[in-house]
Amino acid sequence: EAQVTQNPRYLITVTGKKLTVTCSQNMNHEYMSWYRQDPGLGLRQIYYSMNVEVTDKGDVPEGYKVSRKEKRNFPLILESPSPNQTSLYFCASSWDRDAGYTFGSGTRLTVV
Amino acid sequence: EDQVTQSPEALRLQEGESSSLNCSYTVSGLRGLFWYRQDPGKGPEFLFTLYSAGEEKEKERLKATLTKKESFLHITAPKPEDSATYLCAVRMGAQKLVFGQGTRLTINP
Repeated sequence: EAQVTQNPRYLITVTGKKLTVTCSQNMNHEYMSWYRQDPGLGLRQIYYSMNVEVTDKGDVPEGYKVSRKEKRNFPLILESPSPNQTSLYFCASSWDRDAGYTFGSGTRLTVV
Repeated sequence: EDQVTQSPEALRLQEGESSSLNCSYTVSGLRGLFWYRQDPGKGPEFLFTLYSAGEEKEKERLKATLTKKESFLHITAPKPEDSATYLCAVRMGAQKLVFGQGTRLTINP
């Protein structure tokens, strides 16, 4: 089944403890992206990638890092999480920038 | 400032009662407008891409249209299973996407 897989689905962590949210797609898509979704603010783009080793900032990149060493994987790294990074995170991929993205099921992160 | 605004925030309809959702945008260099559907607890699901004023796309009971400043998602004779949050997004540049806040649609049987 064609899909975008994020792990974990739920995570509660403490301020300052580094964490990684993994994202993997099995569709050989070139384009991948990370979003956070917050009530009243909607979906906001954190980072995107157009191919291996090619990444760029979205609207809210502060406090996040990404890497794209392989086509299928696009992990989101929080080096020192803070409570304002508590959110619902989505990874997404697309074979073409005009084709629309396939989204993962989301990761609900709570930073206390 | 690039902005995407959706209205209304929430809409409640009776089954079979047609209506339209609005997405207005103020962006420089529109490269495409996207509509997504999002069910509670799930990621958005892609519906349509529109590129130029006058373009229309249809899928079952949904039809999306685009003008120079806004897009409409028309829902004809909706059913309860059409209940969801509908999101529009505008692409600017290579891959920058700006989403609206969504319209939460409820269809009562």
